[in-house]
Amino acid sequence: GAGVSQTPSNKVTEKGKYVELRCDPISGHTALYWYRQSLGQGPEFLIYFQGTGAADDSGLPNDRFFAVRPEGSVSTLKIQRTERGDSAVYLCASAGAGDEQFFGPGTRLTVL
Amino acid sequence: GENVEQHPSTLSVQEGDSAVIKCTYSDSASNYFPWYKQELGKRPQLIIDIRSNVGEKKDQRIAVTLNKTAKHFSLHITETQPEDSAVYFCAASGHSNYQLIWGAGTKLIIKP
Repeated sequence: GAGVSQTPSNKVTEKGKYVELRCDPISGHTALYWYRQSLGQGPEFLIYFQGTGAADDSGLPNDRFFAVRPEGSVSTLKIQRTERGDSAVYLCASAGAGDEQFFGPGTRLTVL
Repeated sequence: GENVEQHPSTLSVQEGDSAVIKCTYSDSASNYFPWYKQELGKRPQLIIDIRSNVGEKKDQRIAVTLNKTAKHFSLHITETQPEDSAVYFCAASGHSNYQLIWGAGTKLIIKP
């Protein structure tokens, strides 16, 4: 089947605007992760879902960031009042029964 | 919390030679250590992983070793080929196997 997909692939927004980033995990994967990757850095953990619930949101940098997964499949990462420092590639990954995380292609967010 | 350090940041080796990338971690409770390969502009992909109850694991030209006492683990690539050129990331499980803490990455350059 298809791998993890993310939309949009690129998003350019202005400082202060609201953005939503979408992740479609591999069908049947119950675990879903959001990461943020800045240039030259490793992925930074943001939040982990097991099913519909956020099992660990300790990586969200502040209350401007929020993520949902209402039906246990598609997830949306929401960023309010965007700042220039939010510019990065946002990666989504999903996992099934094992520990391997399968990554999507990422959304490149640029805040002007 | 867990902290992962990775060295070197850049590694250049002659085609056919071996490459070694090293990582250290801080949390003795970590028990899962994956290595991911990320080609330019692409998503990270798992190449090998090891659990804390195993000291070494090998898959063709790739091997990983783990020293729990010293809290370090290494990636070994033998007979390097041009397609091995990429950024390699190590990671260690955080307070659960679901949360991965990533190293900063090693850019591996294979010289023809």
